[in-house]
Amino acid sequence: GAGVSQSPRYKVAKRGQDVALRCDPISGHVSLFWYQQALGQGPEFLTYFQNEAQLDKSGLPSDRFFAERPEGSVSTLKIQRTQQEDSAVYLCASSLETSGSDEQFFGPGTRLTVL
Amino acid sequence: QKEVEQDPGPLSVPEGAIVSLNCTYSNSAFQYFMWYRQYSRKGPELLMYTYSSGNKEDGRFTAQVDKSSKYISLFIRDSQPSDSATYLCAISDNKLIFGAGTRLAVHP
Repeated sequence: GAGVSQSPRYKVAKRGQDVALRCDPISGHVSLFWYQQALGQGPEFLTYFQNEAQLDKSGLPSDRFFAERPEGSVSTLKIQRTQQEDSAVYLCASSLETSGSDEQFFGPGTRLTVL
Repeated sequence: QKEVEQDPGPLSVPEGAIVSLNCTYSNSAFQYFMWYRQYSRKGPELLMYTYSSGNKEDGRFTAQVDKSSKYISLFIRDSQPSDSATYLCAISDNKLIFGAGTRLAVHP
């Protein structure tokens, strides 16, 4: 079966541009997570959805970052007025349920480079 | 202080060696501990999962959790070149809290 897919795989933006990153979770997965992975670092949590409800956005670094999952499946992470420090790999993960023990399945990530 | 600290590596070992990877964590309330493997330009994939203290073995891989010292370990026996990857320890607080990752290279 299909895993988590993300698009685009690579994105180059000029500083100040807005970008939108898409995540298609595994069908039927209730929980969806976004993480940011800087070069040489582990992923860091950004935000979490349970179905369409955004239950935790404590990791979003600024109000330029916005995420949505309007129908409880596909999610979009939007970054407005991109800055160089936003350059990173953005990973999406989904899990079947909402328990802390549930395995999170990761997509391949979107590598964002801000010039 | 980060919630999860991980030896940065990189680590280079010959094929067949035993590899030991380690992390420490700060919050004693954590109960779920994971090891993820990440190949270059791929997303992390779950390798091992442990609940609370103890050992768990899966083939050549053994995960250990010592809650008294807040120490997490992953051992790889008979390491293979295909094990070359970045290994990330993680704690589940619903969201995952990752260490920085240790890059491992196993050379033939």
